[in-house]
Amino acid sequence: DTAVSQTPKYLVTQMGNDKSIKCEQNLGHDTMYWYKQDSKKFLKIMFSYNNKELIINETVPNRFSPKSPDKAHLNLHINSLELGDSAVYFCASSRASYGGGGFRGNTIYFGEGSWLTVV
Amino acid sequence: DAKTTQPPSMDCAEGRAANLPCNHSTISGNEYVYWYRQIHSQGPQYIIHGLKNNETNEMASLIITEDRKSSTLILPHATLRDTAVYYCIVRASNTGTASKLTFGTGTRLQVTL
Repeated sequence: DTAVSQTPKYLVTQMGNDKSIKCEQNLGHDTMYWYKQDSKKFLKIMFSYNNKELIINETVPNRFSPKSPDKAHLNLHINSLELGDSAVYFCASSRASYGGGGFRGNTIYFGEGSWLTVV
Repeated sequence: DAKTTQPPSMDCAEGRAANLPCNHSTISGNEYVYWYRQIHSQGPQYIIHGLKNNETNEMASLIITEDRKSSTLILPHATLRDTAVYYCIVRASNTGTASKLTFGTGTRLQVTL
């Protein structure tokens, strides 16, 4: 019963294709994230959703479109894949990052990653 | 979020304590210090966090200096399975804004026999 699960774990696809990575969390968290780790191992945030609402959108090409059907799921759809999109994509979740009473020291929990290779 | 500075790599003998330092001299009063680690081919794993006081859990201890400008993560009895990249992250606690983790380059800890 993995807390944050991603599928697929490995994905090899050709340039120009459209692909999706799915993420589900069973922790009852309100906030979910997508992070990208490139070949140099830098881990950077891409998006964050809180209760299905987009709250963080870093400088990411609009070929990347996150979709949150409900607060337990945050899927990442990538159009027209390019070689530079090859990376490991990590989904994560936490309790709501803000709210009445201030910060609650929310821990962010990560999935095991999805290895995307574009050829 | 404040920037952190960590040594790029460290070695530790198995069974000994691993002390991983982190400098965060520009930390502000409402920023927490978080530690995560990433074992090869796995997702980042939460270890511990703190604000002012020293903290201990089943994985590690976190020692934060009184001026909060630096901290040390202590793994009391390192094992080979603790070989990983350890990230020290300072995280803002702003109310009403999205909270995120900004990862640096971390410290690669190699535990050896």
